[in-house]
Amino acid sequence: GQNIDQPTEMTATEGAIVQINCTYQTSGFNGLFWYQQHAGEAPTFLSYNVLDGLEEKGRFSSFLSRSKGYSYLLLKELQMKDSASYLCAVKNSNYQLIWGAGTKLIIKP
Amino acid sequence: GAVVSQHPSWVICKSGTSVKIECRSLDFQATTMFWYRQFPKQSLMLMATSNEGSKATYEQGVEKDKFLINHASLTLSTLTVTSAHPEDSSFYICSARFGGREWETQYFGPGTRLLVL
Repeated sequence: GQNIDQPTEMTATEGAIVQINCTYQTSGFNGLFWYQQHAGEAPTFLSYNVLDGLEEKGRFSSFLSRSKGYSYLLLKELQMKDSASYLCAVKNSNYQLIWGAGTKLIIKP
Repeated sequence: GAVVSQHPSWVICKSGTSVKIECRSLDFQATTMFWYRQFPKQSLMLMATSNEGSKATYEQGVEKDKFLINHASLTLSTLTVTSAHPEDSSFYICSARFGGREWETQYFGPGTRLLVL
Protein backbone atom coordinates (compact mmCIF):
# COMPACT_ATOMS: atom_id res chain seq x y z
CA GLY A 1 0.00 0.00 0.00
CA GLN A 2 0.89 3.64 -0.07
CA ASN A 3 1.10 5.75 3.02
CA ILE A 4 2.30 9.05 4.33
CA ASP A 5 3.20 9.37 7.99
CA GLN A 6 3.43 12.58 9.93
CA PRO A 7 2.85 13.39 13.61
CA THR A 8 -0.72 14.11 14.57
CA GLU A 9 0.00 17.15 16.68
CA MET A 10 2.91 19.31 17.75
CA THR A 11 3.24 22.24 20.13
CA ALA A 12 5.81 25.02 19.92
CA THR A 13 6.44 28.43 21.39
CA GLU A 14 6.10 31.76 19.61
CA GLY A 15 9.45 32.86 18.22
CA ALA A 16 10.91 29.37 18.27
CA ILE A 17 11.69 26.88 15.48
CA VAL A 18 9.74 23.71 14.76
CA GLN A 19 10.38 20.82 12.39
CA ILE A 20 7.51 18.73 11.10
CA ASN A 21 8.59 15.38 9.69
CA CYS A 22 6.99 13.35 6.96
CA THR A 23 7.92 9.86 5.82
CA TYR A 24 6.40 8.23 2.81
CA GLN A 25 6.07 4.93 1.03
CA THR A 26 4.54 5.31 -2.39
CA SER A 27 4.57 3.58 -5.75
CA GLY A 28 7.10 5.84 -7.40
CA PHE A 29 7.86 9.44 -6.66
CA ASN A 30 7.24 12.59 -8.65
CA GLY A 31 7.48 15.25 -6.01
CA LEU A 32 6.48 16.13 -2.47
CA PHE A 33 4.27 19.01 -1.42
CA TRP A 34 3.62 20.81 1.82
CA TYR A 35 0.35 22.64 2.35
CA GLN A 36 -0.90 24.76 5.21
CA GLN A 37 -4.52 24.56 6.25
CA HIS A 38 -6.12 26.82 8.82
CA ALA A 39 -9.19 25.48 10.57
CA GLY A 40 -12.26 25.76 8.37
CA GLU A 41 -10.30 26.87 5.34
CA ALA A 42 -8.92 25.21 2.23
CA PRO A 43 -5.23 24.26 2.04
CA THR A 44 -2.70 26.72 0.67
CA PHE A 45 0.46 25.70 -1.15
CA LEU A 46 3.71 26.12 0.78
CA SER A 47 6.44 24.22 -1.00
CA TYR A 48 7.36 21.61 -3.57
CA ASN A 49 10.43 19.36 -3.56
CA VAL A 50 11.37 16.95 -6.31
CA LEU A 51 15.16 16.86 -5.87
CA ASP A 52 17.09 16.09 -2.70
CA GLY A 53 18.02 19.01 -0.56
CA LEU A 54 16.65 22.06 1.13
CA GLU A 55 14.30 24.62 -0.40
CA GLU A 56 14.03 27.86 1.53
CA LYS A 57 11.19 30.34 1.32
CA GLY A 58 11.39 33.03 3.91
CA ARG A 59 10.58 31.61 7.34
CA PHE A 60 9.66 28.25 5.85
CA SER A 61 12.06 25.63 4.49
CA SER A 62 11.39 22.15 3.19
CA PHE A 63 13.88 19.31 2.94
CA LEU A 64 13.74 16.10 0.93
CA SER A 65 15.70 12.86 0.95
CA ARG A 66 14.35 10.53 -1.70
CA SER A 67 16.58 7.64 -0.69
CA LYS A 68 15.15 7.76 2.83
CA GLY A 69 11.58 8.55 1.82
CA TYR A 70 11.72 11.50 4.16
CA SER A 71 10.91 15.16 4.21
CA TYR A 72 10.57 17.85 6.80
CA LEU A 73 9.06 21.30 6.95
CA LEU A 74 11.00 23.78 9.07
CA LEU A 75 9.25 26.84 10.41
CA LYS A 76 11.39 29.58 11.96
CA GLU A 77 10.48 32.58 14.08
CA LEU A 78 7.11 31.10 14.81
CA GLN A 79 4.13 33.42 14.90
CA MET A 80 0.71 32.81 16.39
CA LYS A 81 -0.77 32.85 12.87
CA ASP A 82 1.31 29.75 12.06
CA SER A 83 -1.09 27.71 14.18
CA ALA A 84 -2.62 25.44 11.55
CA SER A 85 -2.49 21.95 10.14
CA TYR A 86 0.39 21.13 7.84
CA LEU A 87 -0.26 18.54 5.17
CA CYS A 88 2.41 16.49 3.46
CA ALA A 89 1.48 15.04 0.06
CA VAL A 90 3.45 12.91 -2.39
CA LYS A 91 2.87 12.51 -6.09
CA ASN A 92 3.39 8.88 -7.12
CA SER A 93 4.40 7.38 -10.46
CA ASN A 94 0.83 7.75 -11.74
CA TYR A 95 0.90 11.41 -10.74
CA GLN A 96 -1.70 10.73 -8.08
CA LEU A 97 -1.35 12.90 -5.02
CA ILE A 98 -1.23 10.82 -1.85
CA TRP A 99 -2.08 12.85 1.24
CA GLY A 100 -0.90 12.56 4.80
CA ALA A 101 -3.40 13.07 7.61
CA GLY A 102 -1.79 16.37 8.56
CA THR A 103 0.04 17.68 11.59
CA LYS A 104 -1.80 20.11 13.80
CA LEU A 105 0.66 22.73 15.00
CA ILE A 106 -0.25 24.62 18.16
CA ILE A 107 1.72 27.79 18.91
CA LYS A 108 1.81 29.02 22.49
CA PRO A 109 2.80 32.54 23.55
CA GLY B 1 -0.51 33.05 -7.65
CA ALA B 2 -3.23 31.09 -9.35
CA VAL B 3 -6.76 31.74 -8.15
CA VAL B 4 -9.50 29.17 -7.87
CA SER B 5 -12.98 30.14 -6.78
CA GLN B 6 -15.85 28.06 -5.50
CA HIS B 7 -19.50 28.88 -5.28
CA PRO B 8 -21.37 28.76 -3.02
CA SER B 9 -19.17 28.95 0.05
CA TRP B 10 -22.00 27.78 2.31
CA VAL B 11 -25.11 25.80 1.55
CA ILE B 12 -27.82 24.41 3.78
CA CYS B 13 -30.39 22.15 2.19
CA LYS B 14 -33.09 19.69 3.05
CA SER B 15 -32.53 15.98 2.83
CA GLY B 16 -33.38 14.66 -0.63
CA THR B 17 -32.53 17.77 -2.57
CA SER B 18 -29.64 18.17 -4.99
CA VAL B 19 -26.85 20.69 -4.57
CA LYS B 20 -24.51 22.00 -7.26
CA ILE B 21 -21.08 23.38 -6.42
CA GLU B 22 -19.06 25.31 -8.98
CA CYS B 23 -15.30 25.46 -9.19
CA ARG B 24 -13.66 28.03 -11.44
CA SER B 25 -10.06 28.78 -12.29
CA LEU B 26 -9.98 32.55 -12.63
CA ASP B 27 -6.67 33.38 -14.25
CA PHE B 28 -5.56 30.19 -15.91
CA GLN B 29 -6.87 27.25 -17.88
CA ALA B 30 -7.06 24.18 -15.70
CA THR B 31 -6.36 20.99 -17.59
CA THR B 32 -7.33 18.94 -14.57
CA MET B 33 -9.57 19.62 -11.60
CA PHE B 34 -9.91 17.60 -8.44
CA TRP B 35 -12.73 17.29 -5.97
CA TYR B 36 -12.08 16.54 -2.32
CA ARG B 37 -14.17 16.22 0.78
CA GLN B 38 -12.98 16.72 4.28
CA PHE B 39 -14.69 15.78 7.51
CA PRO B 40 -13.87 17.68 10.71
CA LYS B 41 -10.35 17.05 11.98
CA GLN B 42 -9.62 14.64 9.14
CA SER B 43 -7.41 14.95 6.12
CA LEU B 44 -8.48 15.56 2.57
CA MET B 45 -10.11 12.68 0.76
CA LEU B 46 -9.90 12.74 -3.00
CA MET B 47 -13.28 12.01 -4.52
CA ALA B 48 -12.61 12.33 -8.23
CA THR B 49 -10.33 13.72 -10.90
CA SER B 50 -11.79 15.42 -13.92
CA ASN B 51 -10.19 16.41 -17.19
CA GLU B 52 -11.88 18.90 -19.45
CA GLY B 53 -14.14 17.24 -21.99
CA SER B 54 -13.89 13.72 -20.58
CA LYS B 55 -15.59 11.70 -17.88
CA ALA B 56 -14.37 12.06 -14.33
CA THR B 57 -12.32 9.33 -12.70
CA TYR B 58 -13.79 8.46 -9.32
CA GLU B 59 -11.87 7.09 -6.38
CA GLN B 60 -12.82 3.76 -4.94
CA GLY B 61 -15.88 3.96 -2.75
CA VAL B 62 -17.20 7.20 -4.24
CA GLU B 63 -20.59 6.79 -5.90
CA LYS B 64 -20.46 8.35 -9.33
CA ASP B 65 -24.26 8.47 -9.59
CA LYS B 66 -24.47 10.40 -6.35
CA PHE B 67 -21.63 12.81 -6.98
CA LEU B 68 -21.99 14.02 -10.54
CA ILE B 69 -19.01 15.85 -11.95
CA ASN B 70 -19.05 17.91 -15.12
CA HIS B 71 -15.93 19.57 -16.51
CA ALA B 72 -17.36 21.37 -19.50
CA SER B 73 -14.61 23.92 -20.01
CA LEU B 74 -11.01 24.58 -19.05
CA THR B 75 -12.13 27.01 -16.38
CA LEU B 76 -15.21 25.39 -14.88
CA SER B 77 -16.01 22.12 -13.15
CA THR B 78 -19.17 21.38 -11.22
CA LEU B 79 -19.97 18.83 -8.54
CA THR B 80 -23.60 17.95 -7.98
CA VAL B 81 -24.53 16.09 -4.83
CA THR B 82 -27.74 14.34 -5.79
CA SER B 83 -30.43 13.45 -3.26
CA ALA B 84 -28.29 14.76 -0.43
CA HIS B 85 -28.55 13.17 3.01
CA PRO B 86 -27.21 14.33 6.38
CA GLU B 87 -24.18 12.05 6.05
CA ASP B 88 -23.16 14.06 2.96
CA SER B 89 -22.63 17.10 5.17
CA SER B 90 -18.98 17.94 4.77
CA PHE B 91 -16.45 20.46 3.51
CA TYR B 92 -16.05 20.08 -0.26
CA ILE B 93 -12.92 21.50 -1.82
CA CYS B 94 -11.88 21.67 -5.43
CA SER B 95 -8.42 22.19 -6.78
CA ALA B 96 -7.06 22.90 -10.23
CA ARG B 97 -3.83 22.11 -11.98
CA PHE B 98 -2.37 23.81 -15.05
CA GLY B 99 0.69 23.70 -17.28
CA GLY B 100 3.84 25.76 -17.19
CA ARG B 101 6.57 25.97 -14.57
CA GLU B 102 4.33 24.97 -11.71
CA TRP B 103 2.37 22.45 -13.67
CA GLU B 104 2.44 19.90 -10.93
CA THR B 105 1.04 22.19 -8.27
CA GLN B 106 -2.60 22.06 -7.31
CA TYR B 107 -4.28 25.30 -6.29
CA PHE B 108 -7.24 24.97 -4.03
CA GLY B 109 -10.52 26.78 -4.00
CA PRO B 110 -11.80 28.18 -0.70
CA GLY B 111 -14.14 25.26 -0.16
CA THR B 112 -17.90 24.81 0.16
CA ARG B 113 -19.42 23.84 3.45
CA LEU B 114 -22.53 21.69 2.95
CA LEU B 115 -25.04 21.05 5.69
CA VAL B 116 -27.89 18.70 4.94
CA LEU B 117 -30.77 18.82 7.39
